[in-house]
Amino acid sequence: GESVGLHLPTLSVQEGDNSIINCAYSNSASDYFIWYKQESGKGPQFIIDIRSNMDKRQGQRVTVLLNKTVKHLSLQIAATQPGDSAVYFCAENLMDSSYKLIFGSGTRLLVRP
Amino acid sequence: DTAVSQTPKYLVTQMGNDKSIKCEQNLGHDTMYWYKQDSKKFLKIMFSYNNKELIINETVPNRFSPKSPDKAHLNLHINSLELGDSAVYFCASSQGPSRAEDTGELFFGEGSRLTVL
Repeated sequence: GESVGLHLPTLSVQEGDNSIINCAYSNSASDYFIWYKQESGKGPQFIIDIRSNMDKRQGQRVTVLLNKTVKHLSLQIAATQPGDSAVYFCAENLMDSSYKLIFGSGTRLLVRP
Repeated sequence: DTAVSQTPKYLVTQMGNDKSIKCEQNLGHDTMYWYKQDSKKFLKIMFSYNNKELIINETVPNRFSPKSPDKAHLNLHINSLELGDSAVYFCASSQGPSRAEDTGELFFGEGSRLTVL
């Protein structure tokens, strides 16, 4: 069935450290993946995406890694800041399907000052 | 300028009532969605419209009726509200994977928190 991600865990990191958030997906036909950040009381916001023909993509302070062999995604945040505290979701999409983005259950990131 | 706006932001009502949530996007996108986020933060797609046509209906009870008067608007009407309908409802839009360079990236509104008493 459709299943992305794990039950909502919490990751606590010290400000300035690097954070790694993991996600597992189940649909091997998915070919596009996105990480979203949701701050309290707000809607999810796009962070970074990656297509299945890549295994790494870097943005500003963020890197997404894709391992299609084990159907695993990770989001790495460098020099984590208090403003990074939020719930992070991975999502998968079939580029040839009908516009359906399936979300994982999210990870809460807490940044300790 | 708000890209995806939905109203109301908060809605408290009694069981059995009928209520609506409205959504508008000014991004020129072809596709709009309703997602439901439960108390455990799980986001689940409910409906999707592409150019006013329903393309996704994820086994949502027929008490929920989406309406898209034009491609910039997607409203959600809920009849006979139940306690289990309490959640945050997010509207979103995307250009949709209609061209090779398009992606499935969604742009979300701020959410409408529905509380059914």
